[in-house]
Amino acid sequence: AQTVTQSQPEMSVQEAETVTLSCTYDTSENNYYLFWYKQPPSRQMILVIRQEAYKQQNATENRFSVNFQKAAKSFSLKISDSQLGDTAMYFCAYGGTSYGKLTFGQGTILTVHP
Amino acid sequence: NAGVTQTPKFQVLKTGQSMTLQCAQDMNHEYMSWYRQDPGMGLRLIHYSVGAGITDQGEVPNGYNVSRSTTEDFPLRLLSAAPSQTSVYFCASMLIRTGVMDSPLHFGNGTRLTVT
Repeated sequence: AQTVTQSQPEMSVQEAETVTLSCTYDTSENNYYLFWYKQPPSRQMILVIRQEAYKQQNATENRFSVNFQKAAKSFSLKISDSQLGDTAMYFCAYGGTSYGKLTFGQGTILTVHP
Repeated sequence: NAGVTQTPKFQVLKTGQSMTLQCAQDMNHEYMSWYRQDPGMGLRLIHYSVGAGITDQGEVPNGYNVSRSTTEDFPLRLLSAAPSQTSVYFCASMLIRTGVMDSPLHFGNGTRLTVT
């Protein structure tokens, strides 16, 4: 079975600075997808970024980028120019060969301070 | 464009009561699923369905029942509520295409359930 570990329960950053959230996973599959979801206080689950394991290039979405290290099974999220609206719980998730069956990490609460 | 709609948003039950959490999507997604979110544990898959008439168990299925009679609806039934089922429940749907994750999961806004 796959596992996803987020070792940082809470993180904080000053507005306009950069922060990196860590995620490691364990799998024996070769083809899979990794995701970062954002959950603001509204409880809505918002997809931030997605990475396909067969792609060596790290995914980027505006201020959000990942550092995907397949051999190390590491998938960190970097948020540049942090904004107050980035304050949320962030979940790392693994999706393998089974449709839609995501395995989530424990979550990291990120607080952006003005 | 409603997306995934969950009702109710909040619910309080007494131990032993039964209830149904409703989930509907208007995107013609074949895949639908239920997750529960608990502090420190992320989201865990309860049940899922890849089409009308087809359901299967996820990681934590005990105490829950599902059925899928239409593409649009995927209700989650709590047969006899227990305090351990106090949680936030999310319904999610996805379009199944040629790849496993060609389209992302679309989540509803969740139902907060408290069992006393």
